[in-house]
Formats: sequence, C-alpha cells, structure tokens
Amino acid sequence: GAGVSQSPSNKVTEKGKDVELRCDPISGHTALYWYRQSLGQGLEFLIYFQGNSAPDKSGLPSDRFSAERTGGSVSTLTIQRTQQEDSAVYLCASSRLGGTNEKLFFGSGTQLSVL
Amino acid sequence: AQSVTQPDIHITVSEGASLELRCNYSYGATPYLFWYVQSPGQGLQLLLKYFSGDTLVQGIKGFEAEFKRSQSSFNLRKPSVHWSDAAEYFCAVAGGTSYGKLTFGQGTILTVHP
Repeated sequence: GAGVSQSPSNKVTEKGKDVELRCDPISGHTALYWYRQSLGQGLEFLIYFQGNSAPDKSGLPSDRFSAERTGGSVSTLTIQRTQQEDSAVYLCASSRLGGTNEKLFFGSGTQLSVL
Repeated sequence: AQSVTQPDIHITVSEGASLELRCNYSYGATPYLFWYVQSPGQGLQLLLKYFSGDTLVQGIKGFEAEFKRSQSSFNLRKPSVHWSDAAEYFCAVAGGTSYGKLTFGQGTILTVHP
C-alpha cells in the first residue's frame, strides 16, 4: 500500500477483555516496529520484527502483550486481559531493511481506551 | 542506554517568527539522530536525520538541525514559522543496536499564533 495502515483507528474495550490491533506495513518493508504513546510516558518501543521473527521484544510491558507477524507483512499486537493502564495510542512503523539510519514510516495509530 | 531530553514541553510562537526546539541526547558513541513531527490524529513524519558528515542538516518543510557533539545537542530550527507548523515535535536517537530502534524524547508541542 501507499503507507502504513493500522486498524481499528479507535478501540474501546472493557477491563479484562482481549484486544487485537492490526498493522499493514508498506509493501516490501522487512522491518516492522510497534510503539506505544501514552500521556506521561511519551513514545515507548514495544517490539521489533525483521521478517516474521522478533529479535527484540524487550519493550513488551508484561506477558499479557504479544505480537506476531505473518508472511513478512501484516502484524498483530494482542493484549490479553486489558487493564486501564493499557489505554494509549499504539503506533506501528515500518522501514525497508531495518537499518539504524533508516527512516521509519508510521501509521496513524490505534487509540485504545480501556474502561 | 541512550536517552533523549526535550526540555520544553510547550512552545508558543507568532507566525513568521523564528523557531528553535531543543534536544539533548545521551549516548556513548556517535548517535543517529532524528526529528519527527506529529500532527493531531496523525502518525509521525520524519523531518530530518543525522548520522555522519556535515553537522548542519536540512530537512523537509524548511527545517534544519545542527548536531553539536560538545553539547550533546541536536536542536531543530526554522527561520520563519507558518501556522501549519503547529504540531508536536519529537527528537529521537538510534544506537546500540543494528536496527532502527528509536528512543524518543517527551516531545515539544508547538502552538503558532497568527
């Protein structure tokens, strides 16, 4: 596609429910990143994919968070048993090869609200 | 571990005035430095980046930034601000890994008065 696409754009859920957030990176981009943007915490790295593998999961805040990527393309971030502190904007980004000096292309994010 | 500090949470300028947004980083080696801009409801867009060479880098939308190793700074500047520049600006550093994992500053919100 022309850019990084994320869905849904907004998600409201009840505490304790599971949610899935989807990211469609730019076609051909091998690197994919998830970040979380919340008030008071700024932008935090969650996970990095190179192809379908996730060599860096160091930013996932707890074992309730998981992510996968299939076909070297679409990625899904899953949050189990959501808590109110999970409320944030979840941003996905991709880059062509994953190099340190590469530009990241960001999606518009999923605004998650946990009631 | 690297870190980024943006000392100014919120800056207000008049349209046509000059702008400087401050960024200080902490990193042991030569860093890869970036400025991204986020308009309301949008993802982040790269304005410019520095990783070697000339310490004054030019970016899109008339922005520039200067890398000063002695001050561990990478301040963003624009000679004349337009109303459309109102947004949140993030400074970021990459390093310590072989991939583009970014550490972001807290961001600076720019308000532009007509």
